[in-house]
Amino acid sequence: AQSVSQHNHHVILSEAASLELGCNYSYGGTVNLFWYVQYPGQHLQLLLKYFSGDPLVKGIKGFEAEFIKSKFSFNLRKPSVQWSDTAEYFCAVNATGANNLFFGTGTRLTVIP
Amino acid sequence: DVKVTQSSRYLVKRTGEKVFLECVQDMDHENMFWYRQDPGLGLRLIYFSYDVKMKEKGDIPEGYSVSREKKERFSLILESASTNQTSMYLCASSFSSTLAKNIQYFGAGTRLSVL
Repeated sequence: AQSVSQHNHHVILSEAASLELGCNYSYGGTVNLFWYVQYPGQHLQLLLKYFSGDPLVKGIKGFEAEFIKSKFSFNLRKPSVQWSDTAEYFCAVNATGANNLFFGTGTRLTVIP
Repeated sequence: DVKVTQSSRYLVKRTGEKVFLECVQDMDHENMFWYRQDPGLGLRLIYFSYDVKMKEKGDIPEGYSVSREKKERFSLILESASTNQTSMYLCASSFSSTLAKNIQYFGAGTRLSVL
């Protein structure tokens, strides 16, 4: 069975600090990987995705993530966070060809101005 | 823009009531999903549907049922609401995995309180 681990439950950073949120998954086959973001009071929206090709993917608002197959990881990064990045971030995985996603438990990011 | 619309943002119901949560999408997606979102537990899949009248159980189907009579509409039913079903319910939709890479689009959520 697939599962996703997000080790950081709550991260607090000052503006301009660098961000890295961890995501590890367990599945032996080919996967598609996603990061979703939920800003306060808003619906979940896609931040970035990896399907194949270059393991370093870029998303909206300056976020990027790197797929490291040997580590089963898909960590999210941003070099300099802003107050507006305060949100909850969810990593998700699905086996290629499957219809459903498996989500991690989420990481709440608080950015202090 | 893809639109997934959930009929209510907030609902308050009493224990034992039958509750219907409705979701409509306008992108002709084959797949539709119901999740519940609880603090510290992330999103957990309740049911999903990959076609009209088709449904599959997710990770936590107990106490819930679903209905998909039309492609654009997916309903979640709580036959007899209980306090442990107080939660945020999220609906999502996507194209079939054979057609696209399975990006799910989410509604705004329904916050259900069962008293």
